[in-house]
Amino acid sequence: GQQVMQIPQYQHVQEGEDFTTYCNSSTTLSNIQWYKQRPGGHPVFLIQLVKSGEVKKQKRLTFQFGEAKKNSSLHITATQTTDVGTYFCAGPDNQAGTALIFGKGTTLSVSS
Amino acid sequence: DSGVTQTPKHLITATGQRVTLRCSPRSGDLSVYWYQQSLDQGLQFLIQYYNGEERAKGNILERFSAQQFPDLHSELNLSSLELGDSALYFCASSQAGGRTDTQYFGPGTRLTVL
Repeated sequence: GQQVMQIPQYQHVQEGEDFTTYCNSSTTLSNIQWYKQRPGGHPVFLIQLVKSGEVKKQKRLTFQFGEAKKNSSLHITATQTTDVGTYFCAGPDNQAGTALIFGKGTTLSVSS
Repeated sequence: DSGVTQTPKHLITATGQRVTLRCSPRSGDLSVYWYQQSLDQGLQFLIQYYNGEERAKGNILERFSAQQFPDLHSELNLSSLELGDSALYFCASSQAGGRTDTQYFGPGTRLTVL
């Protein structure tokens, strides 16, 4: 069945270092969404990408959607301790239509 | 605060029991989604309702059922509980339930089955 995979599963960085998480879908996606879940919290929507090759920036966060619309990445420049959490990508479920299939997430820890 | 509320926050029960989780969507949102989050399976979509009607079904067990009421709140019923049902259950809501809708998640209910 349809799968959304993320790597790495865990990443530890020193504060100020950059961080990237990669998301790959087994099928072409009409759009991809990114969510962040802080420890003990709930997923919070960050951004949605729709167009092939799209790049969007939110302050230190840069999101890319691949040309084939099967992969995406999130890059954080100069990480801060507030960036700690699990980052999930999610794409529409081709079977369930309007539901989202989430990747298993990348958990980022940052030491100061 | 996403505007989505879920009760209770924590639930501890025994195997074989039945529980009901409740969710109130954001004001104006017509669609409600239920997800199960466990350490090994990640976030798994269970079921979606739109304006009182079931719209999409995911990996929801037959022991689980849900409904959305006229006031748009939703309940997830879990019965004949097993140890493996212990997980975080999230409700999310969106405005129209479409493929590009942003989903707003509630704080979750942590279910522990002993």
